[in-house]
Amino acid sequence: DIQMTQSPSSLSASVGDRVTITCRASQSVKNYLNWYQQKPGKAPKLLIYAASSLQSGVPSRFSGSGSGTDFSLTITSLQPEDCATYYCQQADSIPRTFGQGTKVEI
Amino acid sequence: EVQVVESGGGSVQPGGSLRLSCAASGFTFKSYSMKWVRQAPGKGLEWISWISNSGSTIIYADSVRGRFTVSRDIARNSLFLRMTSLRAEDSAVYYCVRDGFVETPGATWPALDLWGQGTMVTVSS
Repeated sequence: DIQMTQSPSSLSASVGDRVTITCRASQSVKNYLNWYQQKPGKAPKLLIYAASSLQSGVPSRFSGSGSGTDFSLTITSLQPEDCATYYCQQADSIPRTFGQGTKVEI
Repeated sequence: EVQVVESGGGSVQPGGSLRLSCAASGFTFKSYSMKWVRQAPGKGLEWISWISNSGSTIIYADSVRGRFTVSRDIARNSLFLRMTSLRAEDSAVYYCVRDGFVETPGATWPALDLWGQGTMVTVSS
């Protein structure tokens, strides 16, 4: 199985800050990398697919980049409603494994 | 409405069994592979099983292989997870997830695009 490693495991930032989360794959996943947002008590929601494409309805302050083994998720201006845990997930091969998550707090 | 709805969770003693169900509606169930993903309290997401759209290919995480069995009933638009020899560490919210895709001009991108609300399983004496 492909191992996905996220960093940091948690972060605290202020409203308006730029926040970046990184995700590294144990082998190349090309650009088959998705990001999910999970708010407390809720199911995860697809945020970004294909490493950099925003899912419909996702605010433009979210962006993704990377290919191969190194990826990042950036929130350009953190908002209170962005408090959540973010997971990367590789979609290159079965099983589609997750990173361990990054908790974002204000 | 396009949705998947889990049921069957509850409390069970160690060594016990439980069967989870997932009812799919609003989409062509037989066209999609499906997944069970669980989340222990305060922990991250863990995929535990995957079943192809036809049901012909099934894989399990090491943590549940030999104890859990996934199946699907195309006619009933349903996915199941039979859990036996349950342990305390199996306590988690269990999500039924569609292994779908996002369509763009010229390409489709695999993604877990539909999640249920989850059903809680508690294993405790």
